[in-house]
Amino acid sequence: EAGVTQSPTHLIKTRGQQATLRCSPISGHTSVYWYQQALGLGLQFLLWYDEGEERNRGNFPPRFSGRQFPNYSSELNVNALELEDSALYLCASSLGGPYTFGSGTRLTVV
Amino acid sequence: AQSVAQPEDQVNVAEGNPLTVKCTYSVSGNPYLFWYVQYPNRGLQFLLKYITGDNLVKGSYGFEAEFNKSQTSFHLKKPSALVSDSALYFCAVRDSYQGAQKLVFGQGTRLTINP
Repeated sequence: EAGVTQSPTHLIKTRGQQATLRCSPISGHTSVYWYQQALGLGLQFLLWYDEGEERNRGNFPPRFSGRQFPNYSSELNVNALELEDSALYLCASSLGGPYTFGSGTRLTVV
Repeated sequence: AQSVAQPEDQVNVAEGNPLTVKCTYSVSGNPYLFWYVQYPNRGLQFLLKYITGDNLVKGSYGFEAEFNKSQTSFHLKKPSALVSDSALYFCAVRDSYQGAQKLVFGQGTRLTINP
């Protein structure tokens, strides 16, 4: 069974640009979660999607947004990038049980 | 809101010795608790969970965790540490407040096993 896949693995952007990160959940999982793991800050909850709808949002500004597609894959968009957005972005999927995480996208803003 | 705390940023243990990684929780209602491990440049891997039942939960790679309601703790343990156990460990609690259904993680504990 394929795990949660995230792309790209690494992404380098300039301040002010937009970044798009992608996530494919485990087949059959309808829920997708996004977390930010910045250095020294642990894992911060960003967004939860289920059945194509945004169900919950963490304490992040509106320039962090996303969507979930009919096949349950998901996209995270970060607009107007700031230096402090540099982090590992982790996606996880679930069908009500424990999360399965992808390996993440390392976003570097220069 | 639900939360967990990991009081130790770093734990060092000699190979072959028992290890403990500490976690305390603060929840309203029954806690759903989890342990995850993160190896360098990787995502998190699920180790074990406590939902209900026995206070001693067994998980992957020989790890176990003890749920203690009176002390609001959920410490991760292993009888004999391996060098390959060196990693970053996260405790988490499920937060269902207002239908959130998300995991809230502790800050993580870096475990180093010395040969």
